[in-house]
Order: sequence, then structure tokens, then C-alpha cells
Amino acid sequence: KAGVTQTPRYLIKTRGQQVTLSCSPISGHRSVSWYQQTPGQGLQFLFEYFSETQRNKGNFPGRFSGRQFSNSRSEMNVSTLELGDSALYLCASSLGGGVLTFGAGSRLTVL
Amino acid sequence: EDKVVQSPLSLVVHEGDTVTLNCSYEVTNFRSLLWYKQEKKAPTFLFMLTSSGIEKKSGRLSSILDKKELFSILNITATQTGDSAIYLCAVYNTGNQFYFGTGTSLTVIP
Repeated sequence: KAGVTQTPRYLIKTRGQQVTLSCSPISGHRSVSWYQQTPGQGLQFLFEYFSETQRNKGNFPGRFSGRQFSNSRSEMNVSTLELGDSALYLCASSLGGGVLTFGAGSRLTVL
Repeated sequence: EDKVVQSPLSLVVHEGDTVTLNCSYEVTNFRSLLWYKQEKKAPTFLFMLTSSGIEKKSGRLSSILDKKELFSILNITATQTGDSAIYLCAVYNTGNQFYFGTGTSLTVIP
């Protein structure tokens, strides 16, 4: 059974650019959530999608957006990148009910 | 404001030691508390706790929840170098939202 797949694994961008990250959940999982992980802040919740609808949103600026497709795959986009956006972005999927299965993450470096 | 606080932030122990990691929370509409282990990239699930006083156990790891005092502990006995990781505590509420602590970084020295 394939796990949660995130692409790309590593990327380097410059300030002002935009980036799109992709997440393919475990087959049958309809909930996909995104987290930003930095050394000082731990895991910060970005948003959660369930059946193509955004169900929850964390306290991030509007530069951070996401969507979910009919096959449950999800993308998140960050526009007008800032140095502080450098982080590991983790995607997690679940059936619902509490247990998240995480992907390996996308490491974004903003120069 | 909903929050999860873990302590200590980091600790270094020798192989064979026993460690206790702490997680306290203030989250409205609590549903469950979860522990994850993060070694390199993807956090992996350890335990989910929903009821007070019932210990969950897996090998050398165990965890318990106190819903009255709003905390949980994760115990690791006879630590091994493979236990070196960041241990994350998360609280899940009835609004389908997770709140994570900043994690405890455990280093086990041979």
C-alpha cells in the first residue's frame, strides 16, 4: 500500500517567486492537511481539505493557498515568497478520526 | 488560544536509561491526543489516547493521558540509539483540527 507522496522533495526559490507543492494521499483517504515545520515553531497547521472542500484553515497569510482535486490529490501554493517561508512542508492524509499519515515532506529554501 | 506544550525541549541520555516526555494542552473540544516520532522527515504514528488513565503500550514505549489535569506522558524504557528522534505530541479536537507541540528532541548516546 503506497504511502503519502510529496513532490518535489527539495526546491530552492528566490524571494518574490511562487511555488506549488503536490501531495498524493493514501488511496481511500479523503482528508489531506498541510503543515509548515520550522526549528523554532514546530508544526504549524496550514489547512485541511476533505472531499475537495477546505474544512479548516490555520493562521497563515493569504499568500498560502491550497486545493484538493476529485482524486483527493492536493496542492498548496505560496506566492510572493519570503525568506521566512523556508521550511519543511508536510502533508498528511487520514480516513478521518484522528490518525494522520505523513509524507516525507518538501524542503523549501528561499534565497 | 488553543495550545500544546511539550517538555523538555531536548534531552540527552545514555543507552539503557528511562526517559519521560511531557505534553500538556489547552485545547477546546478535545477528541484525542496523539504521539508521533520524527526521525528524519515523516513523523510516524506511535499512540492515540482518548480516555484517561488507560495506558497504551508498545514494546518499550508507553503512554498515558490525564484528561482532568490536561496532560500526557510518553515513557521510553531501556533506551536505544534508534530511539533518537523528535517526539511530537498533538491534540485533535471535534472540529477536525490538530494542534501540535514543538516537540522534544531526544538523543541517546551509546
